[in-house]
This record gives sequence, C-alpha cells and structure tokens, in this order.
Amino acid sequence: TQLLEQSPQFLSIQEGENLTVYCNSSSVFSSLQWYRQEPGEGPVLLVTVVTGGEVKKLKRLTFQFGDARKDSSLHITAAQPGDTGLYLCAGSLWDQGGKLIFGQGTELSVKP
Amino acid sequence: EPEVTQTPSHQVTQMGQEVILRCVPISNHLYFYWYRQILGQKVEFLVSFYNNEISEKSEIFDDQFSVERPDGSNFTLKIRSTKLEDSAMYFCASSESRSRLFGSGTRLTVV
Repeated sequence: TQLLEQSPQFLSIQEGENLTVYCNSSSVFSSLQWYRQEPGEGPVLLVTVVTGGEVKKLKRLTFQFGDARKDSSLHITAAQPGDTGLYLCAGSLWDQGGKLIFGQGTELSVKP
Repeated sequence: EPEVTQTPSHQVTQMGQEVILRCVPISNHLYFYWYRQILGQKVEFLVSFYNNEISEKSEIFDDQFSVERPDGSNFTLKIRSTKLEDSAMYFCASSESRSRLFGSGTRLTVV
C-alpha cells in the first residue's frame, strides 16, 4: 500500500513567521502535487513537481521535490492570515492518468 | 480559466436509492477521475477513466458504483443503492497529463 505521510497535521503560527510542511513516502512518485482546500470546496492545484530535486516558487511559497522523488516540502515565508487553510500533498505513481495518493493534510492557521 | 464543474452541489437521498452525480470535465482533457472525502478524512481515489473505459479503480469502487461518459462533455458517477456510509464529498477531476484539476464537489448525504 502506498502512503503519503504529511506533517505536521496542525500548525498555528503568528503572521510573519515562516513554516515548512513535509510530505514523505517510501514510494517513488512520478510527480507530486500540492493543493489547497477550503472547507466544503474541492482541492485547488498550487503546483506540480516532476523532476527529483526540483524547486518551484509561487510568490511566498516554495515547493521542493526530493532527489529520490519520495518526499516533498512546502515552505511559506512571512505567512499571512490569508494563507490559512488546508494544504494537501498528492503523489502519482504514473506519468499520465494514474490515481493520486493524498496525504492527510496540514491545517494551517495564521493569526494576525 | 477552464474549470471542472459538478452538479448538484448538495444531494440528500434515502438509503437504498440510486443517485447520479454529474461532472463536466475540462474540454481538452483526456483523463477523468472520481474521488471522495468522508468528513474529516483523506481524499480517496475511486476510479479513473480514459478512452471510454475504466483504467483503474479502488477497492471502494464496488459493484454499486459505475461511471459513464454518455456524451462528449459529461462524466457521471452512479451509486446504485446508497448506504449510510456513502455520505461524503465526491470530487470529479480531469487531466491532460500530470496536473489533476478538481471540481468543487457534490456533498452527498444518505439518510
């Protein structure tokens, strides 16, 4: 069974602080995606990483795919209250069309 | 920006009744999926669909479930005889290659 372990499960920080969310597995993924999900809504795609060691930036968010393609991290710099939400990582074993295996999510709360 | 649309947004049904959840994937996408999320739990894969047939399904996707692409635009999930434990958010997704884009979901409540 392929699993994606996401940590921490809950994170509460002050505005302006930095944070990192981790996603780890024993499986090698073809690609890994990060989503943000609001209550009662579908996951919204933030980024897809494909190459081992790849780093992608989206404003204050930095995503990294591990060299062995088994793990990934999301780093947020100078968090703002608008960053509050559920962040999900999801890995795919196949290049095209394969199922996504989701982590359990990180519930982030950024207090003003 | 193109998006995956799902209808209805909410559905309440009696146990044992059939329900059909509808999705319109992004028009040039080739791969279609259904996922579900029970309240407070992980998003779980149900089924993937490509070239007019199921390409992969999970153990959750038993004989009570079926999918169909009845025309060039819609993609449906049918649950034949709903059970209480089928209550969940059901998400449709589509992709061209790697990046799966999700709809906003249908909240199914079985009473």
